[in-house]
Amino acid sequence: DAKTTQPTSMDCAEGRAANLPCNHSTISGNEYVYWYRQIHSQGPQYIIHGLKNNETNEMASLIITEDRKSSTLILPHATLRDTAVYYCIVRPYTSGTYKYIFGTGTRLKVLA
Amino acid sequence: DAMVIQNPRYQVTQFGKPVTLSCSQTLNHNVMYWYQQKSSQAPKLLFHYYDKDFNNEADTPDNFQSRRPNTSFCFLDIRSPGLGDAAMYLCATSRGTGDQPQHFGDGTRLSIL
Repeated sequence: DAKTTQPTSMDCAEGRAANLPCNHSTISGNEYVYWYRQIHSQGPQYIIHGLKNNETNEMASLIITEDRKSSTLILPHATLRDTAVYYCIVRPYTSGTYKYIFGTGTRLKVLA
Repeated sequence: DAMVIQNPRYQVTQFGKPVTLSCSQTLNHNVMYWYQQKSSQAPKLLFHYYDKDFNNEADTPDNFQSRRPNTSFCFLDIRSPGLGDAAMYLCATSRGTGDQPQHFGDGTRLSIL
């Protein structure tokens, strides 16, 4: 079963930061947090992942709370092309565990 | 570019007529996955292979089977498609070690007549 909960939908004005929250209150010490997004009629696209430190790449930033029970994906300057469903996934980093189970995701709509 | 390729992008079959969807990868990843995604729902894992080791999800119907003849290719066979099997089918790969993420193809949308 998915171990994450996310808001069903969010709106964001173009050019503003989009902050997408994810709750993973049962996360274990060896579980990573991954974020993907899916634009209509395409396969999910990897965005970023982290264990306990905040992470940043060319697409987004990932902020993980100190207790690791929640995280926030930040798109710093949202554009219309960022309109998509965003999925937060937790997965253990242990040998023999390869499954990525998707939760329900957040439908982000970027408004002009 | 290394990638995950699914063919065809759209597949139409008749009710009860077997159909095979294909996936290939140039990433040389150990793990290959098949997901089913119905309209407005999240992808649902059907099964995955680690090399030749097959792992079926407990709730995957017996109607769905998979083959992985080599590292690069993986097939999804639906033996007797029903109307409820109309969906997008997504193939993904991962290295299978460490924390590296999955890579997805763009999916095959299956319609049942």
